[in-house]
Amino acid sequence: KQEVTQIPAALSVPEGENLVLNCSFTDSAIYNLQWFRQDPGKGLTSLLLIQSSQREQTSGRLNASLDKSSGRSTLYIAASQPGDSATYLCAVSDGSQGNLIFGKGTKLSVKP
Amino acid sequence: KAGVTQTPRYLIKTRGQQVTLSCSPISGHRSVSWYQQTPGQGLQFLFEYFSETQRNKGNFPGRFSGRQFSNSRSEMNVSTLELGDSALYLCASSLDRSLAGRETQYFGPGTRLLVL
Repeated sequence: KQEVTQIPAALSVPEGENLVLNCSFTDSAIYNLQWFRQDPGKGLTSLLLIQSSQREQTSGRLNASLDKSSGRSTLYIAASQPGDSATYLCAVSDGSQGNLIFGKGTKLSVKP
Repeated sequence: KAGVTQTPRYLIKTRGQQVTLSCSPISGHRSVSWYQQTPGQGLQFLFEYFSETQRNKGNFPGRFSGRQFSNSRSEMNVSTLELGDSALYLCASSLDRSLAGRETQYFGPGTRLLVL
């Protein structure tokens, strides 16, 4: 059974700092991995989607990497801003089932 | 293009009642998935519909059911509500899940259900 773990559960950093969020999964047979952002009481916003054949994806200040063999992904946020404060969720699409399996998220707080 | 919409946004029910939640996917999207989010369990997959057929189902009791209409709009129903059903219910749509999860899912704002 696929399990997704995110460490740390919470992170507080000063504005301007570069940071890394971690995601690990137990079964390397994934179709893709997605990083989402969730603001309090809101739905999810897709940030980056990495196909299983890819190693990384970039969007603006965000860079996500994928290492299928070790079951790990990282989300790198450069020059963090208070507006980046949110919960970041990692999810894998697991084989033929197609549904997303989520980690429990990392709650990020960027202080001015 | 309008995003995924969910109605109602907030709902209060009592134990034993039933509830129906609605989801309208992005225009042209044919796949709709439902998820339950709770503080304890996080986000868990409920079921997925494509062309009015349930293609995949998560590990939830039969009290949770859904359907999809010919215009791709979807509803989920929870019967005999329990306190533990209090959660944020999220709907997501994508173009075509027959690509086995190779494309992005777009999420709605969710329906927050409180069971008293």
